[in-house]
Amino acid sequence: SQQGEEDPQALSIQEGENATMNCSYKTSINNLQWYRQNSGRGLVHLILIRSNEREKHSGRLRVTLDTSKKSSSLLITASRAADTASYFCATDYAGNNRKLIWGLGTSLAVNP
Amino acid sequence: SQTIHQWPATLVQPVGSPLSLECTVEGTSNPNLYWYRQAAGRGLQLLFYSVGIGQISSEVPQNLSASRPQDRQFILSSKKLLLSDSGFYLCAWSPSGLVTDTQYFGPGTRLTVL
Repeated sequence: SQQGEEDPQALSIQEGENATMNCSYKTSINNLQWYRQNSGRGLVHLILIRSNEREKHSGRLRVTLDTSKKSSSLLITASRAADTASYFCATDYAGNNRKLIWGLGTSLAVNP
Repeated sequence: SQTIHQWPATLVQPVGSPLSLECTVEGTSNPNLYWYRQAAGRGLQLLFYSVGIGQISSEVPQNLSASRPQDRQFILSSKKLLLSDSGFYLCAWSPSGLVTDTQYFGPGTRLTVL
C-alpha cells in the first residue's frame, strides 16, 4: 500500500503542552499536506509542504519533511482545547498525479 | 471568497432505496470536484473526481455513480443502496489544474442505511 501512515493513532495531552504527530510514506512524493477534522465535520487544510522544502510554519503549527526518511511531522505548540480533532496527512506521489493518498489519521485530545 | 455546500447534512435511508447527494461550489470557475467516503475511524476513500463538466473519473467500482451537470455542481447517486454504503460522504474542490493540490471540503453528509 502507498498509504501514508500517521502515528500515534491517538494522543492525549494537557492544554499548553506541545503535540507532535508523524506521517510516513513509501515512495517519492511531489508534496505532502496536513488537514484537520473536527468530529463530524469536513476537513480543513492546514499546510502543504513540497518535496524540496524541509520546514514550514503557520501560526502555532510547524511541519517538517524528511524525504530521506520518507516522513513528515506536524508540531502544534502551546496546544488548546480547540485543537482537539483528528489530523490527517495526504501525499501526492511523484509520477501519479491522479489523486491524493490519505492516512488514517491521528486523534488528538487536548484536555483543559 | 469560495464556499462549498453539501446537503443534506444527515440522511437515513432503507436498503434498496435510491440516493442523491448534492454538492455545489461558489466563487470559483472550473474547479476540480471530488467525492470521498469516510468510514468510522478511518481515512478518506476517494470515490469520484471530475476535472470538468461531464468528465467523471471513478476510483472504486461500487454501487455509486457521480455526475457533474453544471460547472460547480457535483452529484453522488445510487439506484439501490446497500448496508455497506453507510458512512460519512465528503465533497471537496480544488482549483483547476493538478488534482493533487490543496483541497477544500464541504461539511459532509452522514448517511445511514438501515
